[in-house]
Amino acid sequence: SQQGEEDPQALSIQEGENATMNCSYKTSINNLQWYRQNSGRGLVHLILIRSNEREKHSGRLRVTLDTSKKSSSLLITASRAADTASYFCATEGYGGSQGNLIFGKGTKLSVKP
Amino acid sequence: DTEVTQTPKHLVMGMTNKKSLKCEQHMGHRAMYWYKQKAKKPPELMFVYSYEKLSINESVPSRFSPECPNSSLLNLHLHALQPEDSALYLCASSQYQRGGALGSDTQYFGPGTRLTVL
Repeated sequence: SQQGEEDPQALSIQEGENATMNCSYKTSINNLQWYRQNSGRGLVHLILIRSNEREKHSGRLRVTLDTSKKSSSLLITASRAADTASYFCATEGYGGSQGNLIFGKGTKLSVKP
Repeated sequence: DTEVTQTPKHLVMGMTNKKSLKCEQHMGHRAMYWYKQKAKKPPELMFVYSYEKLSINESVPSRFSPECPNSSLLNLHLHALQPEDSALYLCASSQYQRGGALGSDTQYFGPGTRLTVL
């Protein structure tokens, strides 16, 4: 299975602190994506990083990808209470796996004001 | 319009009922997806349509029947469901240029339909 595995499963921080979430996967990927989900609602796409990229930034988000270690990290800087949500990494493979996003188990982030 | 809409938001049905979930997007996307998400679990892919044709069926039981009547609409017909089918059903769409790589672009998700099977 190429399912991503995030750690930690839960993370609680104070507003203003940085939050780092990690994702590991098992097989070769075409790209890796990070999504946010507020409780019981739809997913919001945060960032997509392709297998030939090592780092991407979007606002307060920084994503890294290490294909040799089959791992990725999501850094949220200067966190806000509104960042409280579950964060999922999702991997997409090649060939017959294209279009098939495999989601990790997620990290539940709680940012306290 | 960058929104994927889903109706209804909530649905309660008995095991003998027939119901349908609807999904709509007006972003000109040519790939649409159904996912199932159980509580405290990640979403799991059910079906993918590309250019209105079913391209991926992740071995979903026949009591779930997808339909893509046109490029903007995606339905999921439900019949004879079981209580364990209770979940959040999410629809998504992505651009997918023909000749390109399906799925190698952002998927936009709707808010989901919360389904309860009694």
